[in-house]
Amino acid sequence: AQTVTQSQPEMSVQEAETVTLSCTYDTSESNYYLFWYKQPPSRQMILVIRQEAYKQQNATENRFSVNFQKAAKSFSLKISDSQLGDTAMYFCAFMGAITGNQFYFGTGTSLTVIP
Amino acid sequence: ETGVTQSPTHLIKTRGQQVTLRCSSQSGHNTVSWYQQALGQGPQFIFQYYREEENGRGNFPPRFSGLQFPNYSSELNVNALELDDSALYLCASSRGPQSSYNEQFFGPGTRLTVL
Repeated sequence: AQTVTQSQPEMSVQEAETVTLSCTYDTSESNYYLFWYKQPPSRQMILVIRQEAYKQQNATENRFSVNFQKAAKSFSLKISDSQLGDTAMYFCAFMGAITGNQFYFGTGTSLTVIP
Repeated sequence: ETGVTQSPTHLIKTRGQQVTLRCSSQSGHNTVSWYQQALGQGPQFIFQYYREEENGRGNFPPRFSGLQFPNYSSELNVNALELDDSALYLCASSRGPQSSYNEQFFGPGTRLTVL
């Protein structure tokens, strides 16, 4: 069974600063995909970034980047130049390559950007 | 392009009743996945529908059932409601069932309260 753990229930960061959200996972699959989703107070989940496990290079999307450590089964999200609009719940999610049709989500980290 | 929509927004039911939640997929999407998000938790996969057939199911009892229609919209039905069914129900649509490379787009959710 796949499990995803987010050990930081709440975090805060000053506007324009950098923050890192942690995520660890457990799986016996060798090929899989990892995601970070953002859920603003309006509730609609939005994909932030994704990482294929077979790629060694860490994914980057503008101000968002990941630190993927496959051996440690760690997948952290770094948000640079934090903006007020980044305030949201952030969910780490795992998807195995074999089934490829269901996410396993962590419990989320509530991020507040302070002006 | 219309996004994923869900109805109703909020719903209050009593224990033992039945409920139907609806989801309209994004244009061009033939796959719908349903998730249950209990308060303070990450979403949990209920099932996925692809071309009107169930294509994978999470650890939910048979009283959770679904349908997908020829226009790819979908319904989630829950019979014999229990207090623990109180949650935000999310649907997500995608261009295909393999969500590892077909991004899932989430709707705003239906908040179900069971009294």
